[in-house]
Amino acid sequence: KAGVTQTPRYLIKTRGQQVTLSCSPISGHRSVSWYQQTPGQGLQFLFEYFSETQRNKGNFPGRFSGRQFSNSRSEMNVSTLELGDSALYLCASSWVGGRNTEAFFGQGTRLTVV
Amino acid sequence: AQTVTQSQPEMSVQEAETVTLSCTYDTSESDYYLFWYKQPPSRQMILVIRQEAYKQQNATENRFSVNFQKAAKSFSLKISDSQLGDAAMYFCAYSVEYGNKLVFGAGTILRVKS
Repeated sequence: KAGVTQTPRYLIKTRGQQVTLSCSPISGHRSVSWYQQTPGQGLQFLFEYFSETQRNKGNFPGRFSGRQFSNSRSEMNVSTLELGDSALYLCASSWVGGRNTEAFFGQGTRLTVV
Repeated sequence: AQTVTQSQPEMSVQEAETVTLSCTYDTSESDYYLFWYKQPPSRQMILVIRQEAYKQQNATENRFSVNFQKAAKSFSLKISDSQLGDAAMYFCAYSVEYGNKLVFGAGTILRVKS
């Protein structure tokens, strides 16, 4: 079974631009969550999608948004990029999305904003 | 708000020895899940072990075991017979409500000496 796939693996963007990151979950998984990892703030929850609906949201500004498609693939978008958005963005998928299910993580997208 | 604290930024262990990583958390809920994730240099987050709060018995997975003290809100990870492949960043995480909304600690870098 293929794991969680995140594309692209690396990305360099200029301040003020927007970026879209993609996450393909494990086949059959309907829940996809996104996390931001930075040296200063650590791992922080961005949002979770289940059956194309945002079910939970972390404490991030509106510049961070996401969506999920009918095939469970998810995208996250960051508009008006700031230097502080430079981070490793991790995506995780799970079978049901309940708290007692294991989250499988992708290898992440390393975003650098210059 | 739920918080997870890992007080050891870095730990070292000799190969074949035992090491314990500490984690404390704060929550007002009585039912929840706790996890230890491993992040090697490849950045892939891998679930090491999980504990269900309503279960008194400590979870074990081969060389990995936890010491779960619910009243003290403590959740430490013991790695026995440490191997070079255990070297990684270890994150303690707490699962809130539903979905994959994990709250992570700051992480502990584990170095294994040969």
